[in-house]
Amino acid sequence: AQSVTQLGSHVSVSEGALVLLRCNYSSSVPPYLFWYVQYPNQGLQLLLKYTSAATLVKGINGFEAEFKKSETSFHLTKPSAHMSDAAEYFCAVTPGTNAGKSTFGDGTTLTVKP
Amino acid sequence: EPEVTQTPSHQVTQMGQEVILRCVPISNHLYFYWYRQILGQKVEFLVSFYNNEISEKSEIFDDQFSVERPDGSNFTLKIRSTKLEDSAMYFCASSAGQPSYEQYFGPGTRLTVT
Repeated sequence: AQSVTQLGSHVSVSEGALVLLRCNYSSSVPPYLFWYVQYPNQGLQLLLKYTSAATLVKGINGFEAEFKKSETSFHLTKPSAHMSDAAEYFCAVTPGTNAGKSTFGDGTTLTVKP
Repeated sequence: EPEVTQTPSHQVTQMGQEVILRCVPISNHLYFYWYRQILGQKVEFLVSFYNNEISEKSEIFDDQFSVERPDGSNFTLKIRSTKLEDSAMYFCASSAGQPSYEQYFGPGTRLTVT
């Protein structure tokens, strides 16, 4: 069994400020973890992924996330927000040892204020 | 880089009509999935498929839904008699299986039922 909790359905930051989107997971097997970004009326764009290699993963558009097994977390960060970062962000977990389904969090809407 | 493709990108249909959503998974992949995202909500698992059989399905995947791999390349989702509440974005995904169970998502098909 697996689940994802994204803390904060809405996060608002000023342009240039740190972005921190929180994701906690539970999984009965070693997980793969993903962050996706979704713009209105569009599909899912993969930002970054953890698939059991380095625990600090860097993705596109300056985003990075750190897998912390002891905290069961995979928080997404970006040092300096840009207006174009405003979107919906989804964290997802997939079993890393079998072909089971992916489970997505409820999503976090990021607003960037000028 | 190989990618999952889906057609059409947008489908409009009338309530009660049958629709078939098409996906072409990555060529050497063995596991196939359909997910659904109702507007403004999170991505939900519908069904997984392996070795020409459904391996897991959610409670959403009732008798109105069916999946098929009609040839060596396509993977389809059929909705027999569409309802208004079937309006959503449908995502196909595929996975190679061992050693990596990472799922690769397609761009989605937006289904609008009127």
